[in-house]
Amino acid sequence: QSVLTQPPSASGTPGQRVTISCSGSSSNIGSNTVNWYQQLPGTAPKLLIYSNNQRPSGVPDRFSGSKSGTSASLAISGLQSEDEADYYCAAWDDSLNGLFGGGTKLTVL
Amino acid sequence: QLQLQESGSGLVKPSQTLSLTCAVSGGSISSGGYSWSWIRQPPGKGLEWIGYIYHSGSTYYNPSLKSRVTISVDRSKNQFSLKLSSVTAADTAVYYCARGGINGPMKFDYWGQGTLVTVSS
Repeated sequence: QSVLTQPPSASGTPGQRVTISCSGSSSNIGSNTVNWYQQLPGTAPKLLIYSNNQRPSGVPDRFSGSKSGTSASLAISGLQSEDEADYYCAAWDDSLNGLFGGGTKLTVL
Repeated sequence: QLQLQESGSGLVKPSQTLSLTCAVSGGSISSGGYSWSWIRQPPGKGLEWIGYIYHSGSTYYNPSLKSRVTISVDRSKNQFSLKLSSVTAADTAVYYCARGGINGPMKFDYWGQGTLVTVSS
């Protein structure tokens, strides 16, 4: 069981807005920045959001991130079929350990 | 464009040592501010951070793997390596190398394609 807790699954229809949560504690999300990754089947993860809410160049503004206290969220608006993937949150822990959430499988209905 | 490429044995016997190398091209591994990580993903499961080596040479390892992990860098070849000793079937996974740093060690902006390592006799 991961220290960063994500829902195992999420779903939405094309055009909808979906959010994926990531819950941690004061030693990780509460005191360090959160990053989000998208992993399409059979490929390496891709950086989607860094420093809680920053998008790397090339990532559509449909993707946004936020953090409050010991929790973070990834929001995807205008859902598209190509957004169907696994999504992972990640954060450093003050115990000197890198953490990933357990991952959320997003299904576009 | 920075590129990372993993290489190494795809099949390791139980109790032996897993060895992988990540070749970095399109940039220097000695560039300040960056860390170089290994991450793994068992089949059908989530991601697990293994550890990283900073550009200065200092290392940080996942506490659950620390006793078995060594990450080193060869600046002359612009590559870094992973050794994981006393492997068991639980170490079967796709192993990725990635670049982290500047905005935090868990911000991985470049990844290798991953290499599957199977632990089996």
